[in-house]
Amino acid sequence: AQSVSQHNHHVILSEAASLELGCNYSYGGTVNLFWYVQYPGQHLQLLLKYFSGDPLVKGIKGFEAEFIKSKFSFNLRKPSVQWSDTAEYFCAVNYRDNYGQNFVFGPGTRLSVLP
Amino acid sequence: DAGVIQSPRHEVTEMGQEVTLRCKPISGHNSLFWYRQTMMRGLELLIYFNNNVPIDDSGMPEDRFSAKMPNASFSTLKIQPSEPRDSAVYFCASSFLDQPQHFGDGTRLSIL
Repeated sequence: AQSVSQHNHHVILSEAASLELGCNYSYGGTVNLFWYVQYPGQHLQLLLKYFSGDPLVKGIKGFEAEFIKSKFSFNLRKPSVQWSDTAEYFCAVNYRDNYGQNFVFGPGTRLSVLP
Repeated sequence: DAGVIQSPRHEVTEMGQEVTLRCKPISGHNSLFWYRQTMMRGLELLIYFNNNVPIDDSGMPEDRFSAKMPNASFSTLKIQPSEPRDSAVYFCASSFLDQPQHFGDGTRLSIL
């Protein structure tokens, strides 16, 4: 089975610090990549997605992610975090194999931003 | 656009009772997913359907869990009999082909 790993379980930052959350996947073929955010007590919401084209994708709320195919990575970044970015962040990959479409989520990274 | 609709939002019941969670996917979506989320185990995929057919149920914890999708607009996840360790938030999500999944608000289940 394919897998998605996220480097950090819990990240603690002060407001205005820069953020980078790591994500690696194992599937060697064509993939679509996603980052989701889950605010406390809420459901997962799409932050950004990569299907093809420019490997640097921009999402909502100032987030961006870079797809590096050679490293099987799709890291999430934000230059300056805010207290309201406190949430859990999930990386996910979609790929197609002989059995159809597959979606795999990473274990999540909890981000705590201190005011 | 109504989004993915789950019911009930909260369920509290005693151990041994049958629990049925319901999900209405977004109209036109052809894939539906059931997830369970706990602090200890994070987000776990239980089962997913493609065109109403179960494709992968390897995440279903045991025979007490069952899921059905009788038509494109409705799915149920049933636990019988329920146990305290089944307490979690259960999310339903739907998608169209390789597009992003859209999640419902979840059902918070507490088994006493």
